[in-house]
Amino acid sequence: GDSVTQMEGPVTLSEEAFLTINCTYTATGYPSLFWYVQYPGEGLQLLLKATKADDKGSNKGFEATYRKETTSFHLEKGSVQVSDSAVYFCALSDNQGGKLIFGQGTELSVKP
Amino acid sequence: GAGVSQTPSNKVTEKGKYVELRCDPISGHTALYWYRQSLGQGPEFLIYFQGTGAADDSGLPNDRFFAVRPEGSVSTLKIQRTERGDSAVYLCASSLTIVQNTGELFFGEGSRLTVL
Repeated sequence: GDSVTQMEGPVTLSEEAFLTINCTYTATGYPSLFWYVQYPGEGLQLLLKATKADDKGSNKGFEATYRKETTSFHLEKGSVQVSDSAVYFCALSDNQGGKLIFGQGTELSVKP
Repeated sequence: GAGVSQTPSNKVTEKGKYVELRCDPISGHTALYWYRQSLGQGPEFLIYFQGTGAADDSGLPNDRFFAVRPEGSVSTLKIQRTERGDSAVYLCASSLTIVQNTGELFFGEGSRLTVL
């Protein structure tokens, strides 16, 4: 079945460092891809999405490009802030049913 | 509030007991989802509703788990004969329509279930 694999955390960075969180997927068909974020004490919320190959999703300085050839959707940010500390989840929608399938999450901790 | 509301936020029960978890979605959202999240893991799909009917219940782990949405709004997840392995955070999410069309789920803060 469809699945998502993320790099393991926790990831600890200093403020203004470059961030990459790797995400790869396995799917039949042409899924849409998402990054969700869970800040401490809050519910999950959509960060960005891409619905077809070569699309780039972006929001709040974060970017991810849908790469069909490598089945990847890596999350990047050029300069992280302490406020970016959270757990990040990569997910796919199978485009046949209505559900999202999530990766295991990657915890990011940004130190001042 | 305008968000997805889940009650109770915390539930501690004994092995073998029956538990109900409630979800109040965003008004007007036709699709409602239940997920389960264990510590250190991503959300695991359980079931989703489009309107009143369960469109996909393939994620329910066994017949002790059941969910209803009788009027197409509030939903209740019911767990019979709870086991210690059922301990997790149960997340509810809603969407204007099924996620393949909108791409966005709005999540509640979850109900943390602890089975002693």
